[in-house]
Amino acid sequence: KAGVTQTPRYLIKTRGQQVTLSCSPISGHRSVSWYQQTPGQGLQFLFEYFSETQRNKGNFPGRFSGRQFSNSRSEMNVSTLELGDSALYLCASSKSGANTGELFFGEGSRLTVL
Amino acid sequence: GQQLNQSPQSMFIQEGEDVSMNCTSSSIFNTWLWYKQDPGEGPVLLIALYKAGELTSNGRLTAQFGITRKDSFLNISASIPSDVGIYFCAGQSGETSGSRLTFGEGTQLTVNP
Repeated sequence: KAGVTQTPRYLIKTRGQQVTLSCSPISGHRSVSWYQQTPGQGLQFLFEYFSETQRNKGNFPGRFSGRQFSNSRSEMNVSTLELGDSALYLCASSKSGANTGELFFGEGSRLTVL
Repeated sequence: GQQLNQSPQSMFIQEGEDVSMNCTSSSIFNTWLWYKQDPGEGPVLLIALYKAGELTSNGRLTAQFGITRKDSFLNISASIPSDVGIYFCAGQSGETSGSRLTFGEGTQLTVNP
């Protein structure tokens, strides 16, 4: 069974640019959530999508957005990049409707903003 | 907002030793989870706890959900080199939280062979 797949694994952007990250969940999983991981702030929840609807949202500015497609694949977008957006962005999927907190994470997309 | 205080921040132990780490919170959680993250990988779920007082084992790992619902601990017995990594506790507030977890700062574990 394939795990959670995130692309790209690494990317470098400059301030002011925008970036789109992609996530394919485990087959059959309909919930996809995104986390930002930095050395200073640790793992912080960005948002969660379930059946193409945003179900929960963390405390991040509106520059961070996401969406989910009918096949459960998800994308997140960060516009007007700032240096502080440099981080590992992790996507996680979970089984349909099971709000257990049992998440399956991908390997992450490491974003560097110069 | 909610915060989890995880300790210790790092541990350096000899192979074969037992390890204990814990998390405390100012808020109540309905679910406590422990994840491990290896370099270059995403976190992997080790143990999930759903009831106050629950004690659960997974091989050499044992975790407990505190009675007050504000704390949890993880024990690793007879450590081996592959136990090296960062261990995170995480709490979920309730069913409406979905996949919204609050994570601790992590415990970096080093095992010397």
